[in-house]
Amino acid sequence: QQQVKQSPQSLIVQKGGISIINCAYENTAFDYFPWYQQFPGKGPALLIAIRPDVSEKKEGRFTISFNKSAKQFSLHIMDSQPGDSATYFCAARDKAAGNKLTFGGGTRVLVKP
Amino acid sequence: DSGVTQTPKHLITATGQRVTLRCSPRSGDLSVYWYQQSLDQGLQFLIHYYNGEERAKGNILERFSAQQFPDLHSELNLSSLELGDSALYFCASSVARGNTGELFFGEGSRLTVL
Repeated sequence: QQQVKQSPQSLIVQKGGISIINCAYENTAFDYFPWYQQFPGKGPALLIAIRPDVSEKKEGRFTISFNKSAKQFSLHIMDSQPGDSATYFCAARDKAAGNKLTFGGGTRVLVKP
Repeated sequence: DSGVTQTPKHLITATGQRVTLRCSPRSGDLSVYWYQQSLDQGLQFLIHYYNGEERAKGNILERFSAQQFPDLHSELNLSSLELGDSALYFCASSVARGNTGELFFGEGSRLTVL
């Protein structure tokens, strides 16, 4: 079963535009929500993360919005750049399950110059 | 460079065969996680080891097994391989059980089963 649902599967945005990726979860035991960025031929790397007691976290052009009651969170990439073209994965940690991360299905982002 | 080393980077083998994928975690990391990445299913959690002991299992097939050795490197053994086992296999490590949630991923081992 897919515990973390991510959408869209892919998106194309013009340089300077805003990329928005959404994730939803069901397991209320999740206590940490990171986003990972993966470039072709590389492993995923942590981009930004948020805890459920915070509604928003911003790091540079990347912002996570978190809605605990709706069990949803999203990544906004402001002023998207061609170098942001990558696959983005949302994830959720279940501390009771050995801190393993459950990943969403991924979103392939292409930023056109 | 995440500091996690995986070998081999690429592997091509035939159905029915057995392969071993190796992972060296970052220096000092006690936890090792294995994930499978296929085109249609994203990153699927397979198994987690902490300091040599199995801590959590995901949807890992019975044909697959793993272990973590005293020097903390880990191996993922895949046997009786099927076409559907073709995927990228990632190893990730983290500092400790009570970590912040950051996993450091290797560059993966791409397995192709013909």
